[in-house]
Amino acid sequence: EAQVTQNPRYLITVTGKKLTVTCSQNMNHEYMSWYRQDPGLGLRQIYYSMNVEVTDKGDVPEGYKVSRKEKRNFPLILESPSPNQTSLYFCASSPGEGYTFGSGTRLTVV
Amino acid sequence: GQQLNQSPQSMFIQEGEDVSMNCTSSSIFNTWLWYKQDPGEGPVLLIALYKAGELTSNGRLTAQFGITRKDSFLNISASIPSDVGIYFCAAYTGNQFYFGTGTSLTVIP
Repeated sequence: EAQVTQNPRYLITVTGKKLTVTCSQNMNHEYMSWYRQDPGLGLRQIYYSMNVEVTDKGDVPEGYKVSRKEKRNFPLILESPSPNQTSLYFCASSPGEGYTFGSGTRLTVV
Repeated sequence: GQQLNQSPQSMFIQEGEDVSMNCTSSSIFNTWLWYKQDPGEGPVLLIALYKAGELTSNGRLTAQFGITRKDSFLNISASIPSDVGIYFCAAYTGNQFYFGTGTSLTVIP
């Protein structure tokens, strides 16, 4: 089944403790992206990647890192999480004209 | 980033009623997309529009790509309880996606 898999689905962590949210797609898509979703603000793009080893900042990249060493994987790294990064995160991939989204990761930073 | 203005922000309707929502922008786009997000899940693509003026249906859903390429509309006919969720418009420039802030739809049985 074609899908985007992100893990974990739920995560509670403490301020400053580094964490990684994994994202993997099995559709051989070149384009992958991370979004955060907050009430009233919709989906805001954090980072995106047009292909392996090519990443670019989205609208809200501060406090996040990404890497794209292989086409299928696009992990999101929070080096020092802060409470304002509490949010619902979505990974998505695209062949060019429509996204397939993962099921989301609900992150709480206390 | 570029802004997509989506309205209304929320809707409460009776089962069986028709629904309309729209998205506008000051920028021109090549592609307009409509997604639905169920609670606790990621958005799922409903309809994709690739040409100005295009009108496309998917069951009870009909969407249009505005002739100016700066707007799009989604209509849902004869709403049912499972239509509840958040509907997002999205637009694509060729290398970037942009999303509206969503329309939350509640259907009252």
